[in-house]
Amino acid sequence: EADIYQTPRYLVIGTGKKITLECSQTMGHDKMYWYQQDPGMELHLIHYSYGVNSTEKGDLSSESTVSRIRTEHFPLTLESARPSHTSQYLCASETGLGTGELFFGEGSRLTVL
Amino acid sequence: GQSLEQPSEVTAVEGAIVQINCTYQTSGFYGLSWYQQHDGGAPTFLSYNALDGLEETGRFSSFLSRSDSYGYLLLQELQMKDSASYFCAVFSGGYNKLIFGAGTRLAVHP
Repeated sequence: EADIYQTPRYLVIGTGKKITLECSQTMGHDKMYWYQQDPGMELHLIHYSYGVNSTEKGDLSSESTVSRIRTEHFPLTLESARPSHTSQYLCASETGLGTGELFFGEGSRLTVL
Repeated sequence: GQSLEQPSEVTAVEGAIVQINCTYQTSGFYGLSWYQQHDGGAPTFLSYNALDGLEETGRFSSFLSRSDSYGYLLLQELQMKDSASYFCAVFSGGYNKLIFGAGTRLAVHP
């Protein structure tokens, strides 16, 4: 059973609001990821981290930012939400030991009105 | 750049065998993973191939040919619950990050 948690699961907000999507894992994994996925579509990597204080942007340009101050915590922030940000955001972690397995959270489904 | 190609849809009947192919182009290839995702759910890990050959896990098997930049997922004795999207994904790049293909939607019919 994967111990990775995302909050909120669902969020509806107005344009221009600042939001933070939380992601926490209790497995001590160094590598963490944020993916963006529209319904029935592919997963786009938007941010990843390979350890504390180390973050990189993914292949999909995103207006969001991330931080990694603690191993277990990898929050994603949108300073000013827009309707184009409406999507599902999936957080994942990986041991980094070459098993090829990512553990995903249940996702945060964001709707911006 | 990086790219993964897999069929968008596959249809099969219960009890049948289906193969989902994946070809990839990437720099610094480390391995190929497969994930299953049911509608509204999160992706779940199925298998990982770092070396050439076949890996078998129950009804599911995965194959990799590094020289051909090709892999496949084989699903046997299909069940209705196997109806889902299946994604191939490669570990690549300097930080060995996981990049996903567009996914194959499998529909299993009675």
